[in-house]
Amino acid sequence: EDKVVQSPLSLVVHEGDTVTLNCSYEVTNFRSLLWYKQEKKAPTFLFMLTSSGIEKKSGRLSSILDKKELFSILNITATQTGDSAIYLCATGANSKLTFGKGITLSVRP
Amino acid sequence: GAGVSQTPSNKVTEKGKYVELRCDPISGHTALYWYRQSLGQGPEFLIYFQGTGAADDSGLPNDRFFAVRPEGSVSTLKIQRTERGDSAVYLCASSLAGEQFFGPGTRLTVL
Repeated sequence: EDKVVQSPLSLVVHEGDTVTLNCSYEVTNFRSLLWYKQEKKAPTFLFMLTSSGIEKKSGRLSSILDKKELFSILNITATQTGDSAIYLCATGANSKLTFGKGITLSVRP
Repeated sequence: GAGVSQTPSNKVTEKGKYVELRCDPISGHTALYWYRQSLGQGPEFLIYFQGTGAADDSGLPNDRFFAVRPEGSVSTLKIQRTERGDSAVYLCASSLAGEQFFGPGTRLTVL
């Protein structure tokens, strides 16, 4: 059975801090790993990673995939209160996504 | 439309009733997915359509759950004889290639 494990499950930081969110996976027929941000109900797409070692970057957010060690990290630098959300990691195999439980990030002013 | 839309946004029903949840995907997206998200959990896959046909329905929990997409666009998730354990947020997503774009979900509460 495919498995995606995220850690930590929650964390609290102060504005300006840098955070690293972790995602490890065990899946058959791996095709991609995706990160989403969920603030209320709809997960919002952040990144899709398919190749090892290639960093994807969008503003203060960046992510990288290690297909040998089967994990990915999502980094957020200079955090803002608007970054407070649940961050979901998912693996895509044969189209359907398998999600982790998510990481609840709280950024305090 | 600009994004995936779902109706209703909230649905409260009584145990044993029948409910229908609707999803309008992004125009032109051929693939459509239904997921269910319980409190404190990530979304769990239910069913995936490619065009009009269900390409993978392995996530449907039992035969009370059924979904259709008759014209390859709008999809309806149907739940018969609802149970309290069906209470969750039901999310729909669509894609053309690669990343899936999610709608705001329908929060179903079964009393």
